[in-house]
Amino acid sequence: NAGVTQTPKFQVLKTGQSMTLQCAQDMNHNSMYWYRQDPGMGLRLIYYSASEGTTDKGEVPNGYNVSRLNKREFSLRLESAAPSQTSVYFCASSEAGTNQPQHFGDGTRLSIL
Amino acid sequence: AQSVTQLGSHVSVSEGALVLLRCNYSSSVPPYLFWYVQYPNQGLQLLLKYTTGATLVKGINGFEAEFKKSETSFHLTKPSAHMSDAAEYFCAVRPGESSGSARQLTFGSGTQLTVLP
Repeated sequence: NAGVTQTPKFQVLKTGQSMTLQCAQDMNHNSMYWYRQDPGMGLRLIYYSASEGTTDKGEVPNGYNVSRLNKREFSLRLESAAPSQTSVYFCASSEAGTNQPQHFGDGTRLSIL
Repeated sequence: AQSVTQLGSHVSVSEGALVLLRCNYSSSVPPYLFWYVQYPNQGLQLLLKYTTGATLVKGINGFEAEFKKSETSFHLTKPSAHMSDAAEYFCAVRPGESSGSARQLTFGSGTQLTVLP
């Protein structure tokens, strides 16, 4: 009964380093999302994937790339981390035909020094 | 474009008391409205949603919300607070089905609910 699984849970990077956040869902959902959560700002959409093989930019895509590897997995990559990318990152998924997240992972807490 | 305002970043209630979390929205088209709950160190969970039809929407854990178009509000209520309700609550809005996309879901900044024994 895993739902949406994110790895890692915590990560500290130095400015300029790269890393990939992994996300997998086991609910056979078509749509997947990446959000960032910053204090007092709610959630902001980075990228989303309406179905396998498609990705689209959200509100704050700069500095990020994504890969929808297959129906289960949707990864988020920071090519050159910046302190402004310090945040909590959430992956989410939803059924086909819905345009809002239904199930979220527990988040990745990322600090960029 | 749409926006969401959650009045009160922190709300405290006594156990057994009424919970009222306020959400006002602006939208140029008929909206879809959502409440999510986030427990500590967890992701968000969808609590309830309004799309069309009945304006009083019931969700999980005894919560409900009423869509009031004239007041552009979607307040979340629960008759009797429980200690386990302590969490952060987010209201969200997006344009209705004919024009909405994932990119257009806008979250409020959240309300932290504390339940006092």
